This record gives sequence, structure tokens and C-alpha cells, in this order.
Amino acid sequence: KAGVTQTPRYLIKTRGQQVTLSCSPISGHRSVSWYQQTPGQGLQFLFEYFSETQRNKGNFPGRFSGRQFSNSRSEMNVSTLELGDSALYLCATGRGQGTEAFFGQGTRLTVV
Amino acid sequence: AQSVTQLGSHVSVSEGALVLLRCNYSSSVPPYLFWYVQYPNQGLQLLLKYTTGATLVKGINGFEAEFKKSETSFHLTKPSAHMSDAAEYFCAVSDPTREYGNKLVFGAGTILRVKS
Repeated sequence: KAGVTQTPRYLIKTRGQQVTLSCSPISGHRSVSWYQQTPGQGLQFLFEYFSETQRNKGNFPGRFSGRQFSNSRSEMNVSTLELGDSALYLCATGRGQGTEAFFGQGTRLTVV
Repeated sequence: AQSVTQLGSHVSVSEGALVLLRCNYSSSVPPYLFWYVQYPNQGLQLLLKYTTGATLVKGINGFEAEFKKSETSFHLTKPSAHMSDAAEYFCAVSDPTREYGNKLVFGAGTILRVKS
């Protein structure tokens, strides 16, 4: 079966711009989580959605937002980009109840 | 609250030698435990998981891990390292009491180097 699909794979943006990243889950998965990965901070949890509702949010500024659609696809948005937002953004999907999560290939965002 | 500690940010072994990557966790509820592997600029791939039942779990690529509740540990092992095992490994925990989600709490990761 198809895996988790994240688009785009690579992005280069300028400071102050905004960006939208997309995640399409494995069929049947209703839980979508987003993580930011950087060399200095490791894997940090951004937020989590289940059935179109945000269920959990990490410690990130309000510039980071997300949503989930009725088909479980999710998007995350970062506004007013800063250099420190450069990172690999990973999406993970699952069935809920703490079961295993499956990751996409990630979106590499570079802010210049 | 949950947390994960991986001892050793870098581990180096010779090809054919035993691989041992250490993971200790803290959790206020009995957790589910996972090991993931990441190759450069890729997503994370699930190696193995512990939910309930047998405490020794086997995963892909010859890896296995043992859940030891008394030691709050979930160390990852492989009897004989292969060059292709060189990657970064992450231990993670989740809370099975949370109905709506798969949020993972990760350790800092261990980079495994395999010497020929």
C-alpha cells in the first residue's frame, strides 16, 4: 500500500515569507502528527490532528499552524519565516491509541 | 509526562561485531516503545515496537530489543553489524491511553558508525 506522502520534498524561501507543507496519510490513518528536526534540537513535536481536530500542540510560536481535512490529509503553515525555521519537517500518520506511526520522507525547508 | 534518554550520541562498531544501542525511558503510564532508523535526508523507518506481551521483540534487518520494566530500558541489539546499518537510530515512547493520536516522544538519537 502507498506510504505517507509529503510535498514538496525541498523548499527554499526568503525570510518573512510564508510556506505551506502537505502530508497525505496512509489509507485508513486518521492521526497525523508533525515534527521539526534540526541538528541542534533533534526531533521536536509540533502538533497532532485526529478527525480534523487538533488534539495536541508542541511548544512552538503561533507562526506555526496546521489543519486536517476530512480525507485526513494535513497541511502545516509557517508564516513570517525566520532563518531558524530551516529544518526537516516530518509528518507521521497512524491509527491512534499510541500505536506505531509511519513517517513520510520529509520536507527540507531552507530559509535564506 | 514521558521522556527518553539514549546513552551515547555516537556508537562505532566493526563490521560483524555486536551492536548495542541503549535507551531508557520515563513514563507515568505503561508506554508503548519503538525504535526507528533514519538514513541521511530521509524520513524515519520503524525497526520494531513493543506494545504488550512478549518482552523480547524482533524487528527488521536482524534487530531486536528487550523491554525491561524494572530497569525502564528498551535497548536495541543486533548480533552482527553490517555496513548498511550505519544510520541514526531513535528510541521513542507513546502513551497508549490517548485515544486520539500517535504522538511520539523521541530520544536525542544515536549515530551508528560501522567500520570495515
